[in-house]
Amino acid sequence: GQQVMQIPQYQHVQEGEDFTTYCNSSTTLSNIQWYKQRPGGHPVFLIQLVKSGEVKKQKRLTFQFGEAKKNSSLHITATQTTDVGTYFCAVDSWGKLQFGAGTQVVVTP
Amino acid sequence: DAMVIQNPRYQVTQFGKPVTLSCSQTLNHNVMYWYQQKSSQAPKLLFHYYDKDFNNEADTPDNFQSRRPNTSFCFLDIRSPGLGDAAMYLCATSRDFSAPLDYEQYFGPGTRLTVT
Repeated sequence: GQQVMQIPQYQHVQEGEDFTTYCNSSTTLSNIQWYKQRPGGHPVFLIQLVKSGEVKKQKRLTFQFGEAKKNSSLHITATQTTDVGTYFCAVDSWGKLQFGAGTQVVVTP
Repeated sequence: DAMVIQNPRYQVTQFGKPVTLSCSQTLNHNVMYWYQQKSSQAPKLLFHYYDKDFNNEADTPDNFQSRRPNTSFCFLDIRSPGLGDAAMYLCATSRDFSAPLDYEQYFGPGTRLTVT
């Protein structure tokens, strides 16, 4: 199946700062999904991207799908303590999700 | 509210003693999934049901079985739990995966399994 590498593994952010997490693949991806998992919680769907160069925004979150459909990014502006958690990218192949390793985000006040 | 429910939230079992985890959904979704998630790792798909059709992942150990008696319920049976099976087990559903807008997976809160 399609595999994705996600970086960084850990991200320490000061409240109010911006950060970006990246998802990369050596092959062209049909789509990319992003999930957020709070500490002790379960993954929650954030968004799906399917088109080359697609950009979608959800408040302070900006999701991008690369022109070649081989990478994706999640950018969070003005980080808040509620942004704490692990962000996973995942590729959907006929309903089967292949998750990246995730970026664990810690926010310091 | 429509949701995915998992019981129990915490399960302790003994090495080698069979255990069953349950999942129910009120979303009336066609597809149900079981994932295993170990500490600081991504969820790993064990198997899924599309309606009554069972789909096992190639690397899922035979020790893991599943049943889906009806649309709402799905069970994960671990026949002889080993210490390495201690993990969070997540159930998820999706409406379908053949239609463009039906791809989103809804996860339950998970069952944390401890093997002693």
